[in-house]
Amino acid sequence: GDSVTQMEGPVTLSEEAFLTINCTYTATGYPSLFWYVQYPGEGLQLLLKATKADDKGSNKGFEATYRKETTSFHLEKGSVQVSDSAVYFCALSPGNQGGKLIFGQGTELSVKP
Amino acid sequence: NAGVTQTPKFQVLKTGQSMTLQCAQDMNHEYMSWYRQDPGMGLRLIHYSVGAGITDQGEVPNGYNVSRSTTEDFPLRLLSAAPSQTSVYFCASSYRDNTEAFFGQGTRLTVV
Repeated sequence: GDSVTQMEGPVTLSEEAFLTINCTYTATGYPSLFWYVQYPGEGLQLLLKATKADDKGSNKGFEATYRKETTSFHLEKGSVQVSDSAVYFCALSPGNQGGKLIFGQGTELSVKP
Repeated sequence: NAGVTQTPKFQVLKTGQSMTLQCAQDMNHEYMSWYRQDPGMGLRLIHYSVGAGITDQGEVPNGYNVSRSTTEDFPLRLLSAAPSQTSVYFCASSYRDNTEAFFGQGTRLTVV
């Protein structure tokens, strides 16, 4: 079945460092891909998404490109801030299945001043 | 805008007790889902609904029951709580496939 694999955390970075969180997926059809972020004690919020191959999603300085050839959707940010500390989830939506999402295990990011 | 509202935020149950986790959304979304979040496992789908009167099982449905009598509400029932159901539960809604899912704040459930 469809699945998502993320790099394991926790990831600890200094402020202004470059961030990459790897995400690869397995899917039989043409899924949409998402990154969600969870701040402490809160629910998940959409960070960015891409609905077809070669699409780039971007928001708040974060970017991810839907790579069908490598089945990847890696999250990047050029300069992280302390306020980016959170848990990041990569997810796919298979489509035509009631909006359901399949999540990776999550990567905890901690940014130190 | 209330968005997706879950109640309660915290709950402690004894093994064998039953309870209902409430979820309501005010965005007129057709699609609603329940997930559980466990350490190192991400979120896993319990049940989902594509509209009033229609529900289906997700990845981990055992021990849980749902119904969808209105567009707004999608309660999750634990029939006989077990320690393995200790988790954080999230309700989500979305307008249609491939659109943003909106999540509630979560319910932290402990079964002792």
